[in-house]
Amino acid sequence: ETGVTQTPRHLVMGMTNKKSLKCEQHLGHNAMYWYKQSAKKPLELMFVYNFKEQTENNSVPSRFSPECPNSSHLFLHLHTLQPEDSALYLCASSQDEALANTIYFGEGSWLTVV
Amino acid sequence: GDSVTQMEGPVTLSEEAFLTINCTYTATGYPSLFWYVQYPGEGLQLLLKATKADDKGSNKGFEATYRKETTSFHLEKGSVQVSDSAVYFCARVEEDDKIIFGKGTRLHILP
Repeated sequence: ETGVTQTPRHLVMGMTNKKSLKCEQHLGHNAMYWYKQSAKKPLELMFVYNFKEQTENNSVPSRFSPECPNSSHLFLHLHTLQPEDSALYLCASSQDEALANTIYFGEGSWLTVV
Repeated sequence: GDSVTQMEGPVTLSEEAFLTINCTYTATGYPSLFWYVQYPGEGLQLLLKATKADDKGSNKGFEATYRKETTSFHLEKGSVQVSDSAVYFCARVEEDDKIIFGKGTRLHILP
């Protein structure tokens, strides 16, 4: 138990569906992250929120839409995804954006787009 | 080029064998370096880190030494166990404090 909880753990969705991934951290951290983990590719940083403000968007397609209502919760809204978007989506948090060595990861949400 | 390069997997070893997973990095300065481990079905966990040249990080019998002359941070363990089967990620911090991961090396330990 790392203190970062992701739901759902597994999600199968069609290309026309709209779904959301949820992340919650119980560590009192101020920075939260979404990473994408695909087979045989490096972990890709997608979004960073620091004190609820988005500070990083790594050229992520608009079909991925993050939302951070408070420092403890982070969502990833999914709409009209493509099969190549199938991957493990990892949420992480850290005390603040500058302290990379205190990143804690959730267990991930496995997404399959059919 | 890649900021962090680690050896391709999978690596398969017998229990009690010696383990080395190579990692090299590119950087203009001296970034902090990390090894993360991802056990089956779980997220990444920090395994060890080193923040300056010649530092040795260690945890759970794993070690890695920050070698600036070879820009390497190879992960080693003297005697692996079945429970060490996982994916290992080498990582470094970028100049803007973002963490960059290697592609990961899958390790299988056979009983």
